[in-house]
Amino acid sequence: DTGVSQDPRHKITKRGQNVTFRCDPISEHNRLYWYRQTLGQGPEFLTYFQNEAQLEKSRLLSDRFSAERPKGSFSTLEIQRTEQGDSAMYLCASSLQADTQYFGPGTRLTVL
Amino acid sequence: QQQVKQSPQSLIVQKGGISIINCAYENTAFDYFPWYQQFPGKGPALLIAIRPDVSEKKEGRFTISFNKSAKQFSLHIMDSQPGDSATYFCAASTKGSARQLTFGSGTQLTVLP
Repeated sequence: DTGVSQDPRHKITKRGQNVTFRCDPISEHNRLYWYRQTLGQGPEFLTYFQNEAQLEKSRLLSDRFSAERPKGSFSTLEIQRTEQGDSAMYLCASSLQADTQYFGPGTRLTVL
Repeated sequence: QQQVKQSPQSLIVQKGGISIINCAYENTAFDYFPWYQQFPGKGPALLIAIRPDVSEKKEGRFTISFNKSAKQFSLHIMDSQPGDSATYFCAASTKGSARQLTFGSGTQLTVLP
C-alpha cells in the first residue's frame, strides 16, 4: 500500500537559506494539497493543484513560497529566504474524489 | 467566516469510557465535515466524515452527531481505548473546485488504562 510520501521528513536550515520539499501523492490521485501545521494547531491550507494546474493559493502563501506539480504527479514546495516563522510541519495531501483527502507524514522544518 | 472552533483542548478519559469532542462553525457554505486522528510525528488520518443532510453517522466505535441548525457537530468515541490516545481534529470544506479543509485547533485525547 503506497500512501502519500514526503521527503525529507526533517529539515534543519539556517535563516535566509532556501529549502525544497517533495510530495509523492497516491498514484492516480489528480488532486494535491499543501498544508502547514504549527505546534498545537490544526493544519492550514496553503495551495491546491488539480493535475498540473495550481488552482488555489492561500493568503498564507507569501511570495517567498512557490509550489509546482510539473507533470501532474509529484509536487515540490520551495521556500526562499527562510525565516524563523517558517518553522512548521508541512503536510501534503492527495485525493481522487473531491472530499476525501489522504495526508502524508509531513516534513518538519526548523529554521535556526 | 472560515473558522471552525473545537473544544475541549484536552480530554482525559478512563478506558472503556466515552470521549466527546465538539466543533462549531459559522460558514453555512460548509457542506462536508471530516474528523482526523493524528499521532505524534505522523500526518492526520481520516476517521469518519459526514454531510449535513444526515444527523448522525456511525462507523465502529466512532460516531459523528451533526446539528445543522446549531451549526455544531461532535465526535463520540465509545469504549475508548489507550490506543485511541492521539490528537483529534475536526474540519470542514465548502463547495467549489479546491474543497480545501479548514481545521479546528485540535483536541489531545488521553485514555488511561
